[in-house]
Amino acid sequence: EAQVTQNPRYLITVTGKKLTVTCSQNMNHEYMSWYRQDPGLGLRQIYYSMNVEVTDKGDVPEGYKVSRKEKRNFPLILESPSPNQTSLYFCASRLDPATYEQYFGPGTRLTVT
Amino acid sequence: KQEVTQIPAALSVPEGENLVLNCSFTDSAIYNLQWFRQDPGKGLTSLLLIQSSQREQTSGRLNASLDKSSGRSTLYIAASQPGDSATYLCAVRPPGQNFVFGPGTRLSVLP
Repeated sequence: EAQVTQNPRYLITVTGKKLTVTCSQNMNHEYMSWYRQDPGLGLRQIYYSMNVEVTDKGDVPEGYKVSRKEKRNFPLILESPSPNQTSLYFCASRLDPATYEQYFGPGTRLTVT
Repeated sequence: KQEVTQIPAALSVPEGENLVLNCSFTDSAIYNLQWFRQDPGKGLTSLLLIQSSQREQTSGRLNASLDKSSGRSTLYIAASQPGDSATYLCAVRPPGQNFVFGPGTRLSVLP
């Protein structure tokens, strides 16, 4: 089954404790991205990757890092989480930047206290 | 900078009603507009995509229209069912940019 998976689905952590949210897709998609969703603001893109070893900032990259060492995986790293990063995070992928069909993971709800 | 708004923020209707969700965007220069459905605890599911050259798209009980000149799109749901209850998001794709999402409309269809 074609899908995007994220782990963990729920995470509660404390300020400053480094964490990684994993994202994996099994569709051989080139383009992957991370979004955060906050009430009243819609989804905002954090980072995206057009292919292996190619990443770029989205609209709200501050406080986040990503890496793309393999085509299928695109982890999101918070080196020193802060309470304003409490949000719902989605990973998404699509075949290439020009393809509109974007597949989303189930989301990771992060709470930073 | 492209901005997308959706009205209403929330909507409750009795089962069987036809309803319209609205999406507005500030810049008419877009490649396409897409409607998504979001269920609690799940990701987004693509419902309909309208290319900039198209006026509408239909899938089953759903019909989406696009009026680029006025910066508006509507999602029409016919004969609503409780299973339609979800948050509906619209997103536009400006040239050279990724999708810009609206905040969503939370729909409740009451049995």
